Amino acid sequence: ILNVEQSPQSLHVQEGDSTNFTCSFPSSNFYALHWYRWETAKSPEALFVMTLNGDEKKKGRISATLNTKEGYSYLYIKGSQPEDSATYLCALYSGAGSYQLTFGKGTKLSVIP
Amino acid sequence: NAGVTQTPKFRILKIGQSMTLQCAQDMNHNYMYWYRQDPGMGLKLIYYSVGAGITDKGEVPNGYNVSRSTTEDFPLRLELAAPSQTSVYFCASRTGGMNTEAFFGQGTRLTVV
Repeated sequence: ILNVEQSPQSLHVQEGDSTNFTCSFPSSNFYALHWYRWETAKSPEALFVMTLNGDEKKKGRISATLNTKEGYSYLYIKGSQPEDSATYLCALYSGAGSYQLTFGKGTKLSVIP
Repeated sequence: NAGVTQTPKFRILKIGQSMTLQCAQDMNHNYMYWYRQDPGMGLKLIYYSVGAGITDKGEVPNGYNVSRSTTEDFPLRLELAAPSQTSVYFCASRTGGMNTEAFFGQGTRLTVV
C-alpha cells in the first residue's frame, strides 16, 4: 500500500488570501502525480497531471510544483475566492507493474467571504 | 459524450443482500478503477482494471468482486452486504498513458441496513 500524505487536513482562509497545500509520496514509486479538485456533492475533476521533476503547471490562479527526488508536490492558490472552496486531492500513479492510482485523504479548503 | 456513467445513484440494501454497481465509459479508456469514499478517509481503491479481461485488487478488495468483459463496462459486485460497506462508490477511467487524468462518474451512495 502506497502512502500518499496530504497536509493540512483542512484550511480556512479569508477571501483574497493566497494559500498552499502539500502532497508527499514515496519517491521510489513515482510515475506521475495528479491533483484533483472535489466540490461537495460532485465528482473529482482533474487539475494537473505532472510527470517530471521540477514540473510547474498553472491553471488560472491555481498552480502546482513537483519534486520527485524528495517526494512532494505543492498546490498554490493565489487570491482565494469562495468558489475555490473544495477538497483538493493528490494521487500517485505508480506505473508499470502496478498501475494503481492511489489518493491521499485530501485538503479541505474553505474560503470565507 | 456521456463520459463515465454509474448506476444506480442511490441504493439501500439489507444485510446479506447482493447487488451490482454498474459503471460504463464511452471514451475507449483502457484503465478503470473502483473507489469507495468514507468520511475523512479520501478515496480508497477497491479494484482496478487495465483492459478487458484483466483485473487486480486494490487496497480494500474484501467483500467485492469485479469483472471486465468489455472495454466499456466495469461492474462491481457486492456479495453478502455488510454495514461496513455503507459508503459512496466512485468509478473512474483513464487512458493508459503516463500523464493522463482520470475521469470520474457521479458516484453511487450505498447504505446497508
